Amino acid sequence: KQEVTQIPAALSVPEGENLVLNCSFTDSAIYNLQWFRQDPGKGLTSLLLIQSSQREQTSGRLNASLDKSSGRSTLYIAASQPGDSATYLCAVLDDKIIFGKGTRLHILP
Amino acid sequence: GAGVSQSPRYKVAKRGQDVALRCDPISGHVSLFWYQQALGQGPEFLTYFQNEAQLDKSGLPSDRFFAERPEGSVSTLKIQRTQQEDSAVYLCASSLQGEGEQFFGPGTRLTVL
Repeated sequence: KQEVTQIPAALSVPEGENLVLNCSFTDSAIYNLQWFRQDPGKGLTSLLLIQSSQREQTSGRLNASLDKSSGRSTLYIAASQPGDSATYLCAVLDDKIIFGKGTRLHILP
Repeated sequence: GAGVSQSPRYKVAKRGQDVALRCDPISGHVSLFWYQQALGQGPEFLTYFQNEAQLDKSGLPSDRFFAERPEGSVSTLKIQRTQQEDSAVYLCASSLQGEGEQFFGPGTRLTVL
């Protein structure tokens, strides 16, 4: 059974710092991995989608990597801003989409 | 429409009532997914449609939960005889095809008293 784990569960960093969020999964037979952002009381916003054949994707200050063989993905956020404060969720798609519990990120002004 | 929409945004039900939650996917999206998100948790898969066909309903927690998408666009998630443990946010997502990027609606927050 696929399990997705996100570490840390919560993170507070000063504005301007670069940071890394981690996601691990137990079964490497995935179609893709997607990173989402969720603001309190809101739905999910897709940030980056990495297909199983890809190693990384970039969008603005965000970079996500995927290492299927080790069952790991990282989301790198450069030059963090207070507006980046949210919960970040990682999800893998095998026969269904499985989410981690998320990392609650707080950027300190 | 421009994105996935869900209605109602909030629903309060008395235990034992039936509720119906609606999802309007992005026009042209073949795949539609329903998820349940408890407080402080990630979303958990409920069911998946490809057009009007319900291909996977393995995540539905009990036979009180029923979903349909009769014309391959709008979908309804129905919960019969609601229980307090059904209180959660119900999220709908759509994608062009099953393995593609998923786009989520704002969710329906269900509170069962």
